[in-house]
Amino acid sequence: QKEVEQDPGPLSVPEGAIVSLNCTYSNSAFQYFMWYRQYSRKGPELLMYTYSSGNKEDGRFTAQVDKSSKYISLFIRDSQPSDSATYLCAMSYSNDYKLSFGAGTTVTVRA
Amino acid sequence: DADVTQTPRNRITKTGKRIMLECSQTKGHDRMYWYRQDPGLGLRLIYYSFDVKDINKGEISDGYSVSRQAQAKFSLSLESAIPNQTALYFCATSDPIGQGKNNEQFFGPGTRLTVL
Repeated sequence: QKEVEQDPGPLSVPEGAIVSLNCTYSNSAFQYFMWYRQYSRKGPELLMYTYSSGNKEDGRFTAQVDKSSKYISLFIRDSQPSDSATYLCAMSYSNDYKLSFGAGTTVTVRA
Repeated sequence: DADVTQTPRNRITKTGKRIMLECSQTKGHDRMYWYRQDPGLGLRLIYYSFDVKDINKGEISDGYSVSRQAQAKFSLSLESAIPNQTALYFCATSDPIGQGKNNEQFFGPGTRLTVL
């Protein structure tokens, strides 16, 4: 079993829809949770960063962490065609440690 | 100019050939990483280096070797390439203690390697 599970999709939604992405994990020692966005033919870039449980909002993006369920989510409101990308969750034990990545979910937002 | 660069961007080679992928960074970060990305498997860590004298194996290091020539340069070698090493390879850097955003990693544009 992989440490971090993420449904690879693909996910296709109409412009303006809410996109919901999630990951589950098996190791309760993970404390730092991230979402990276990867456009086609590019390297991943950090999108959201959360420590421990709770919600974090940044514009149209909301990241949620539920450590009791070992479940993290990313929501994209009012999705735009420019949000079409692969979204990878990542997590680590501490601020000073390497990352474990999910498989990535490919999202297409149709105009 | 890009902060993390990788060369070559694309490479096609034959089974048994030796291949070197190079990574350079201008971010001044001590930590550098090599990942491979395969469909459905995400990013898997091959090797990582926390400074010039520190090299560590990741989860899939078999068949690969690395060299940290300087703070800014980290090379990945495939001594004898095989078809199942066909993948997208990424180099990344991080600086969790300094100006980086906690443990944010900064990725290069990737190298698409095909082994026939």
